[in-house]
Amino acid sequence: AQRVTQPEKLLSVFKGAPVELKCNYSYSGSPELFWYVQYSRQRLQLLLRHISRESIKGFTADLNKGETSFHLKKPFAQEEDSAMYYCAPPGGSYIPTFGRGTSLIVHP
Amino acid sequence: DAGVTQSPTHLIKTRGQQVTLRCSPKSGHDTVSWYQQALGQGPQFIFQYYEEEERQRGNFPDRFSGHQFPNYSSELNVNALLLGDSALYLCASKTWTVYGYTFGSGTRLTVV
Repeated sequence: AQRVTQPEKLLSVFKGAPVELKCNYSYSGSPELFWYVQYSRQRLQLLLRHISRESIKGFTADLNKGETSFHLKKPFAQEEDSAMYYCAPPGGSYIPTFGRGTSLIVHP
Repeated sequence: DAGVTQSPTHLIKTRGQQVTLRCSPKSGHDTVSWYQQALGQGPQFIFQYYEEEERQRGNFPDRFSGHQFPNYSSELNVNALLLGDSALYLCASKTWTVYGYTFGSGTRLTVV
């Protein structure tokens, strides 16, 4: 079964500091990985998927097959980045399988 | 575009009762999945519907059942409610052939 581990329940940084939200996965096939974000009082939304190699709101995520990781990074955190972040490798039929999430708090 | 809409937004039920939650997918989407999100946890996959059939199912008992209608809307039914069923129930939709779901804002179910 596909599993994801987000080791940090809470990550607290100051504005302007670099951010790295960790995600490790177990997946038997070629992974299609996603990061979802949930801002306060908003619905869960797709942030980015690795295959698109895009940068959304300054965030990037690199797939490291050797380490089975898909860490989310941003060089300079902003207060508006404070949210709950979920790493979501796919389950069967590419259904997102969510970890417990990491709460990112960016202090002014 | 209204996105994914769910009703009701909040619901209180008594243990042992039955509940039906409803979901209208985003326009153009034909695939609906349901998730249960307990407080402080990530969403847990319940099941997925496409072409009015259940395509995938997570580790949930048969008390959880669903349906998809020809207009792609969906219902989640939970029978014999338990206190532990109290959670936020999320509906998510997408087009079958693409990745990435659009989520609704959820229905908060409280079982007392």
